[in-house]
Amino acid sequence: GEDVEQSLFLSVREGDSSVINCTYTDSSSTYLYWYKQEPGAGLQLLTYIFSNMDMKQDQRLTVLLNKKDKHLSLRIADTQTGDSAIYFCAESQDNAGNMLTFGGGTRLMVKP
Amino acid sequence: KAGVTQTPRYLIKTRGQQVTLSCSPISGHRSVSWYQQTPGQGLQFLFEYFSETQRNKGNFPGRFSGRQFSNSRSEMNVSTLELGDSALYLCASSLSRDNEQFFGPGTRLTVL
Repeated sequence: GEDVEQSLFLSVREGDSSVINCTYTDSSSTYLYWYKQEPGAGLQLLTYIFSNMDMKQDQRLTVLLNKKDKHLSLRIADTQTGDSAIYFCAESQDNAGNMLTFGGGTRLMVKP
Repeated sequence: KAGVTQTPRYLIKTRGQQVTLSCSPISGHRSVSWYQQTPGQGLQFLFEYFSETQRNKGNFPGRFSGRQFSNSRSEMNVSTLELGDSALYLCASSLSRDNEQFFGPGTRLTVL
């Protein structure tokens, strides 16, 4: 079955770049997503990448996909204290509709 | 455009009771998915509805059920509540299947 793994915790200083990593096992993944969850809130879609792309950039966010290694990363440039949250990667598969499989989440702490 | 709304936001029930949670998708969105989030199991897919039909179901017991109405609003029901059903229940909507999903704030269910 499919499995999505993330490291639990990342701490960075304000102004530095943050890189959150994710690995997945299912090669039939179609879309890969990054969601942000702040305390007491739902999930906010940050960005997503289609499986035939290598990179996607959106303002401070850069997503890199290495399909061969089944590795996905989210880079946040100039990290701010407001970026402190839990970040989830998720994947959906071809013909699986909207069923997302999530990683366990990475807690990002930004120190001033 | 209003986001995904979920009611109620908080709910306290006792073991053995049943509960119904409601989700109103973004206007024009026809697909609604439900997820359960717990500290131990993380985010797990419950089911997906599109055009009033259940399209996908996660690995949950039959006590968990749902439905979708002609206006795309969805409800999920949990019967014979157990302590382990305490969780944040998240609803997500998308235009159609295989489109990006937007999440609501969730309903936090506590079973005593």
